[in-house]
Amino acid sequence: QSALTQPASVSGSPGQSITISCAGTSSDIGAYIYVSWYQQNPGKAPKLMIYDINNRPSGVSSRFSGSKSGNTASLTISGLQAEDEADYYCSSYTSTSTVVFGGGTKVTVL
Amino acid sequence: EVQLVQSGAEVKKPGESLKISCQGFGYSFTNYWIAWVRQMPGKGLEWLGIIYPGDSGATYSPSFRGQVTISVDKSINTAYLRWTSLKASDTAIYYCARPRGSSTNCYDFWGQGTLVTVSS
Repeated sequence: QSALTQPASVSGSPGQSITISCAGTSSDIGAYIYVSWYQQNPGKAPKLMIYDINNRPSGVSSRFSGSKSGNTASLTISGLQAEDEADYYCSSYTSTSTVVFGGGTKVTVL
Repeated sequence: EVQLVQSGAEVKKPGESLKISCQGFGYSFTNYWIAWVRQMPGKGLEWLGIIYPGDSGATYSPSFRGQVTISVDKSINTAYLRWTSLKASDTAIYYCARPRGSSTNCYDFWGQGTLVTVSS
């Protein structure tokens, strides 16, 4: 199975909104609501930010939101802050009962 | 408090075998799946597979099936990832992760990672 496709990098100024895309297929993102997003800071384990397309775990800022259209999911960070600078990964459940991750997107706050 | 505690860093030679561990604390270990995720140096996350401690049933990514074995010893709340013959390309950080509730696909608790270095 191929990794989901994410842009290598996205940048924005403090206070702006940015959106990270995650392209999959009809066998993963297109078929299920089971899309998640993770934030990873250098040297740290990933942190779950969004699950089931657009749900936030307790403690995750409401500035993070998710959506899905067809075979593509998106993560939007509104009111960008310096602390949001990190790597972000999407993931999806697949038709073979496995999970596939995206290649990751480095978010830079200018 | 839910914690996943992984075994320490390993340095191995190509061809050697290895088993790393992930011990769960603070929850009912047999009721939640445990997944393994690889991160090669400077690269992204890759899903290796997942196991249900209750019945030891495991599912593997096609990319890793036959390359690694996932197992569990529920008597000590521990999951394992095993290689029989390591390659230099197995050098990576390996994370174990526990999904939310009964799901198998979104992970809200992660181990600290185990760095595996394979070098001659």
